[in-house]
Amino acid sequence: SAVISQKPSRDICQRGTSLTIQCQVDSQVTMMFWYRQQPGQSLTLIATANQGSEATYESGFVIDKFPISRPNLTFSTLTVSNMSPEDSSIYLCSVGGMNWAAHNEQFFGPGTRLTVL
Amino acid sequence: GENVEQHPSTLSVQEGDSAVIKCTYSDSASNYFPWYKQELGKGPQLIIDIRSNVGEKKDQRIAVTLNKTAKHFSLHITETQPEDSAVYFCAASSNFGNEKLTFGTGTRLTIIP
Repeated sequence: SAVISQKPSRDICQRGTSLTIQCQVDSQVTMMFWYRQQPGQSLTLIATANQGSEATYESGFVIDKFPISRPNLTFSTLTVSNMSPEDSSIYLCSVGGMNWAAHNEQFFGPGTRLTVL
Repeated sequence: GENVEQHPSTLSVQEGDSAVIKCTYSDSASNYFPWYKQELGKGPQLIIDIRSNVGEKKDQRIAVTLNKTAKHFSLHITETQPEDSAVYFCAASSNFGNEKLTFGTGTRLTIIP
């Protein structure tokens, strides 16, 4: 599978501040996605990161709160803006569409554990 | 949009016994169904997947079955071991995985030694 890294692995932030999470893949990928996983819950898709164009957001998520960049085929960032305690979650990036993959499997990074005080 | 239901939410089995987790989906256009295993503090790990042109797939102790007519698919783990303890998620996607995944609610599997 692809080697996917996320930075930071965890952080504790004050309300009202912003945090940018990075996702780096060791090979070029067609698809990159950002998910949120609240404690003890399933994964909820925030947006699809599109290379060279604006991200596609799911219902309930907006660009002003979760701006996303994807400057190339191996890197993306997710910013959590103006944070509140409700934003405390694990944020995960996933990738898919690797040239070497037999099919369109999607693989996940290790996640960023965010706590907002 | 797609809706994926997963049962049970928790499952405890004796080591060596089998475990079965079931999922149903709503969108008949879905044709790709992966299963992920998530251990504490880690990201989900893809363990097996199946496409709608196949009814069953096996990989050592793990198998997945798909019933397109009934819109449900299941994960079977045989000869369970303590390291199988984790949270398991099913998911569904269209375009053979070239689209976003919709996840089930997860099953916490505990293997009792």
